[in-house]
Amino acid sequence: AQSVTQPDIHITVSEGASLELRCNYSYGATPYLFWYVQSPGQGLQLLLKYFSGDTLVQGIKGFEAEFKRSQSSFNLRKPSVHWSDAAEYFCAIQMEYGNKLVFGAGTILRVKS
Amino acid sequence: DVKVTQSSRYLVKRTGEKVFLECVQDMDHENMFWYRQDPGLGLRLIYFSYDVKMKEKGDIPEGYSVSREKKERFSLILESASTNQTSMYLCASSLAGGRAYEQYFGPGTRLTVT
Repeated sequence: AQSVTQPDIHITVSEGASLELRCNYSYGATPYLFWYVQSPGQGLQLLLKYFSGDTLVQGIKGFEAEFKRSQSSFNLRKPSVHWSDAAEYFCAIQMEYGNKLVFGAGTILRVKS
Repeated sequence: DVKVTQSSRYLVKRTGEKVFLECVQDMDHENMFWYRQDPGLGLRLIYFSYDVKMKEKGDIPEGYSVSREKKERFSLILESASTNQTSMYLCASSLAGGRAYEQYFGPGTRLTVT
């Protein structure tokens, strides 16, 4: 069955440091993958998506993600974190039918100054 | 600017009450979704609708029902609220016809059942 695993529940990084959030998926067909961010008290906002082509995807707010089929991974990265990046991040895989999404459990990012 | 709105940000209800959560989108999207968000579990799909009056169960439909009488509006109904339905509820919408279409989310309704 399809699933998404985000191994890190919480991550704390210093402002200005680099960031990598991990995401692994299990899906039998070609995956369509998404990263969403949820700021406190807000809905989810799309950061980036991958569905074909270049395996390195650029998103908003300086984020990027790399799709690695051999590792079933879609890790999110940012070279220099800002305090405003503190939020919860969700990786998701889209099913072929109905545009349904299956989400990981989320990773809460804390940024220390 | 795309917009998904939910009728309430915070809601407190008593056990056994019938609860309506309303969601409206202004993007003429065919698909609409209701998710439940709990700490450590991410978002789980309750129901989705791909057209007016059409609905399908998601992963956790028990204790919930939905209604879609107009394209822009999708309602989630708790027939008899229970304390284990205390949660954050998120509505989303998307275009149909292609898997690359993203879902747009509302701000969420935090429901507390006492």
